[in-house]
Amino acid sequence: DQQVKQNSPSLSVQEGRISILNCDYTNSMFDYFLWYKKYPAEGPTFLISISSIKDKNEDGRFTVFLNKSAKHLSLHIVPSQPGDSAVYFCAAHPKTGANNLFFGTGTRLTVIP
Amino acid sequence: DSGVTQTPKHLITATGQRVTLRCSPRSGDLSVYWYQQSLDQGLQFLIQYYNGEERAKGNILERFSAQQFPDLHSELNLSSLELGDSALYFCASSVPSGANTGELFFGEGSRLTVL
Repeated sequence: DQQVKQNSPSLSVQEGRISILNCDYTNSMFDYFLWYKKYPAEGPTFLISISSIKDKNEDGRFTVFLNKSAKHLSLHIVPSQPGDSAVYFCAAHPKTGANNLFFGTGTRLTVIP
Repeated sequence: DSGVTQTPKHLITATGQRVTLRCSPRSGDLSVYWYQQSLDQGLQFLIQYYNGEERAKGNILERFSAQQFPDLHSELNLSSLELGDSALYFCASSVPSGANTGELFFGEGSRLTVL
């Protein structure tokens, strides 16, 4: 049962434009949502997170929006740069129990110069 | 460099065989997590250890086992290997308990190919 879903396997965006990556979840018992970025032959690296009590978190060019009623979050990258080309994983952290994360299947972002 | 070290980086073996993947967490991190990423799939949580004790179990097959040693390194043992076990296996560690926001630090992964 996939509790975190990323329905777009890939996204292509022109350099300088906005990239919007989407993620949906089914479990209302998540307290943190995270985005990880993965380059080929490397492990995922943490990018940005948001607490379930907030609806927006911004860090430089990266902003994550959370819509709890829709169980939906999105990552906005503005402006997009070629170095942002990577696979982006959405992940969710449960309120109780162990510290493990539930991951989506990832979206491959390609930023075209 | 996340500070998490995994060996080997690549491993090719045959069906029915057994392999051991090794992970050294970041200095000071007590928790180790193992994830499996099959082709075009997300990262599937296998198991977590905290300071030597099993803390949580995910979708880990009975043919797989893991342990965390007193020096905090961890090993994932995969036995009676099948073609479908071919995947990237990631190890991650997290900060000691405190602000439990879920941030994990991943190693570069061990790519297992079963022929």
